[in-house]
Amino acid sequence: DVKVTQSSRYLVKRTGEKVFLECVQDMDHENMFWYRQDPGLGLRLIYFSYDVKMKEKGDIPEGYSVSREKKERFSLILESASTNQTSMYLCASRVSRGGPSYEQYFGPGTRLTVT
Amino acid sequence: RKEVEQDPGPFNVPEGATVAFNCTYSNSASQSFFWYRQDCRKEPKLLMSVYSSGNEDGRFTAQLNRASQYISLLIRDSKLSDSATYLCVVMDSSYKLIFGSGTRLLVRP
Repeated sequence: DVKVTQSSRYLVKRTGEKVFLECVQDMDHENMFWYRQDPGLGLRLIYFSYDVKMKEKGDIPEGYSVSREKKERFSLILESASTNQTSMYLCASRVSRGGPSYEQYFGPGTRLTVT
Repeated sequence: RKEVEQDPGPFNVPEGATVAFNCTYSNSASQSFFWYRQDCRKEPKLLMSVYSSGNEDGRFTAQLNRASQYISLLIRDSKLSDSATYLCVVMDSSYKLIFGSGTRLLVRP
């Protein structure tokens, strides 16, 4: 079974703090993704990575950065947390962008509250 | 206009009912389509892929209409355990998934 784990289920941070969200997958997947999910807006892509050391902006990258130094780990960084970044953050991984398997496997999510 | 649009519901149906969800997408170049299921406070999980010829998996049937750019999901003989949010998902030309906001289904006894 594919397993995607996220470092925290719940996190409370203060405005202006630097926040690190970690995601680890154990299936040697090439592609990894960070989304945020808000009521009525669905899942929105923040950043993604098709391979180690690679990163690309998604639809809402402002205020975020990412790091992928190892294949299994993809980190999301909030440089200076703001209240509008209060959300559910979901990490996902996928075998690759090509080939027959496009299924994305999601981690359990991190509910971040910025006060 | 959203790239993938769904009726948010909720659809409230009795056990045993048949229920159908529709979804429309705006990019005619989209190639791959999926339905994901998300239980309350859980992560999304793939329910089924959607093929041009239509496909069935037990009580679930998915259809794709490329000319009208819509995707449907039919659930027959609804079970209480089908209560969840169903996400319509489209893959764009750069292999990224675009998610709809989801349709909420409540199956009552």
